[in-house]
Amino acid sequence: EAGVTQSPTHLIKTRGQQATLRCSPISGHTSVYWYQQALGLGLQFLLWYDEGEERNRGNFPPRFSGRQFPNYSSELNVNALELEDSALYLCASSGNGGADTQYFGPGTRLTVL
Amino acid sequence: QKEVEQNSGPLSVPEGAIASLNCTYSDRGSQSFFWYRQYSGKSPELIMFIYSNGDKEDGRFTAQLNKASQYVSLLIRDSQPSDSATYLCAVPGGDSNYQLIWGAGTKLIIKP
Repeated sequence: EAGVTQSPTHLIKTRGQQATLRCSPISGHTSVYWYQQALGLGLQFLLWYDEGEERNRGNFPPRFSGRQFPNYSSELNVNALELEDSALYLCASSGNGGADTQYFGPGTRLTVL
Repeated sequence: QKEVEQNSGPLSVPEGAIASLNCTYSDRGSQSFFWYRQYSGKSPELIMFIYSNGDKEDGRFTAQLNKASQYVSLLIRDSQPSDSATYLCAVPGGDSNYQLIWGAGTKLIIKP
């Protein structure tokens, strides 16, 4: 069974540009979570989608947004990129709500120059 | 705000010894507890989870819960250099949106 997939693996942007990151959950999972992990730091919760709806949002500015598609895949958009947005962006999926086990994708490394 | 706390380390343990990692949580009603391992530059992977009804052993790993003191431990027996990683603890919490709350992780170094 395929795990969580993310694309692209690496993304290089310049300050002020927009970045789009994509995630496909494990088949049968309806929840998708996005996390930001800056180098050497812990997981910072960004967004949680379930059944196409945004269930919760972390303490990030509105330029971080996303959506979940009918097939449960998800997209994270970061507008007006800033240097401090450089980080590993991790997507996770779960099959039974917010308290369920989360399975992570390999991540997208975003570098803002 | 429900919290999950871990000592950031690094925790240095000689090869072959037992590594003991702790995680404290604030929500007394928490029913499940998760341990993940994250190698540098990689994504977290699930090691094991336990419910509030008891401890769990899986190979060299044992998760133990102390409900009275509100902490959960991960013991790694016969530590190997390949166990060197950051270990993340997660506990369901939150008020209106019940989801995993993550600790900052403990960096473990196994010295040969």
